[in-house]
Amino acid sequence: GNSVTQMEGPVTLSEEAFLTINCTYTATGYPSLFWYVQYPGEGLQLLLKATKADDKGSNKGFEATYRKETTSFHLEKGSVQVSDSAVYFCALNHNTDKLIFGTGTRLQVFP
Amino acid sequence: SAVISQKPSRDICQRGTSLTIQCQVDSQVTMMFWYRQQPGQSLTLIATANQGSEATYESGFVIDKFPISRPNLTFSTLTVSNMSPEDSSIYLCSVDWTGTEAFFGQGTRLTVV
Repeated sequence: GNSVTQMEGPVTLSEEAFLTINCTYTATGYPSLFWYVQYPGEGLQLLLKATKADDKGSNKGFEATYRKETTSFHLEKGSVQVSDSAVYFCALNHNTDKLIFGTGTRLQVFP
Repeated sequence: SAVISQKPSRDICQRGTSLTIQCQVDSQVTMMFWYRQQPGQSLTLIATANQGSEATYESGFVIDKFPISRPNLTFSTLTVSNMSPEDSSIYLCSVDWTGTEAFFGQGTRLTVV
C-alpha cells in the first residue's frame, strides 16, 4: 500500500544553518506530495505541495522537489530561523481524499 | 481557505467517561476527517464523515468507541467513549477544501487519568 517514510528527529540546528529533512514514499503512479508544519500548540498547516513529477513546491524559504526516479520529496531551507522550530510532516494523497502522513520530524533551531 | 474551529482545545478526563469533541467549519464541505495523533507519533485517520450517511472507519477504529455525528455540511462531532489512558492523544478535525489541500483544526489535547 501507499506509505511515507521520514527521517527521524529531532533535527537540531543553529540559526542560519542549512536544513534537509528527507522524505521518501511508496505509491503506484503519481501521488500528490505535501509538507505540513505543526508549530507548538497548533494544528497542522500546509507548507508546500507538488502534484506531478519534477514540480518544485516552495513557501517561506522552504523548497521540495518531486523526484519520481528516487520517490523522494526532501524538504530544504537554506537558512533556518528560530521561528522555524516545529514538527514537519511529509504526506501523500493518491486518488483518494485521504492523506497518508509520515511520522513527523521535529526541528529545533537554536540562536 | 477554510477556517476550522475545534473545541474543547484540551481536557483532562477520568477513565471510563466519554468526551465529545466539536468541529465547526466556516463554509460547507462535503467530507470531514477525524485524526488521532498519539504522543510523539504521526497522524492516524480515524474516520471520514459525510453528511447524511454513517461515517467510514479505518482499520482498528470502531463506531462503538468513536461515534461520529455529521448533522450538516459545516459541523461534526467525535466522541471518545469509555476512555482509558491509552486514549490520551491529540484529536484533529480536517477538511479537504480543494481536493488537493487539507485544512486542520487546532486540535483537542486529551489526557485521560
